Amino acid sequence: NAGVTQTPKFQVLKTGQSMTLQCAQDMNHEYMSWYRQDPGMGLRLIHYSVGAGITDQGEVPNGYNVSRSTTEDFPLRLLSAAPSQTSVYFCASSNRLSGNTIYFGEGSWLTVV
Amino acid sequence: AQSVTQLDSQVPVFEEAPVELRCNYSSSVSVYLFWYVQYPNQGLQLLLKYLSGSTLVKGINGFEAEFNKSQTSFHLRKPSVHISDTAEYFCAAASSGNTGKLIFGQGTTLQVKP
Repeated sequence: NAGVTQTPKFQVLKTGQSMTLQCAQDMNHEYMSWYRQDPGMGLRLIHYSVGAGITDQGEVPNGYNVSRSTTEDFPLRLLSAAPSQTSVYFCASSNRLSGNTIYFGEGSWLTVV
Repeated sequence: AQSVTQLDSQVPVFEEAPVELRCNYSSSVSVYLFWYVQYPNQGLQLLLKYLSGSTLVKGINGFEAEFNKSQTSFHLRKPSVHISDTAEYFCAAASSGNTGKLIFGQGTTLQVKP
């Protein structure tokens, strides 16, 4: 049972580069989300999705794009990386049928230089 | 807008002493409430959650929390802490209709001293 899988675990980018953080879940969950974690600020919601084809912005969406073409996958795209996007990123999934248990991936450590 | 406030950024405590980590939330709708623990350089682990029913929720590792609707609080407690409880703790809330949208507090670092 893989749960929520995030890749890559570590990445260093140069300012201006683009990249995609991958997130996949094998539990048929309807909800998927991306968070970023910064010291002293907890985790902040970037984007979330309530089902395939439906996405919405969270608290800090600027500089990030998402899409949800399948139930399983929810990639996060950085269009033009900036040093302010240096952070730890977590993907999560959940649904009502699983008792609203929220499953988190192991995190992706991103450094933008 | 929903918000979660953790009232202490750091809580130092001696081993075997009791501890309370405070969390307040603001919401005009029904909420689900969660406490997570994060050990250094690791992901998030669920300690406990309140969805409905009994206001006293018991979780893993001897932790418990009490949902207080009138005070909009969800404080985390443990009667006797161990060195291994040293970690960062996050309180989070979600509207009852959408657990895809968690709002987190800023985190509380629990430092257990020998």
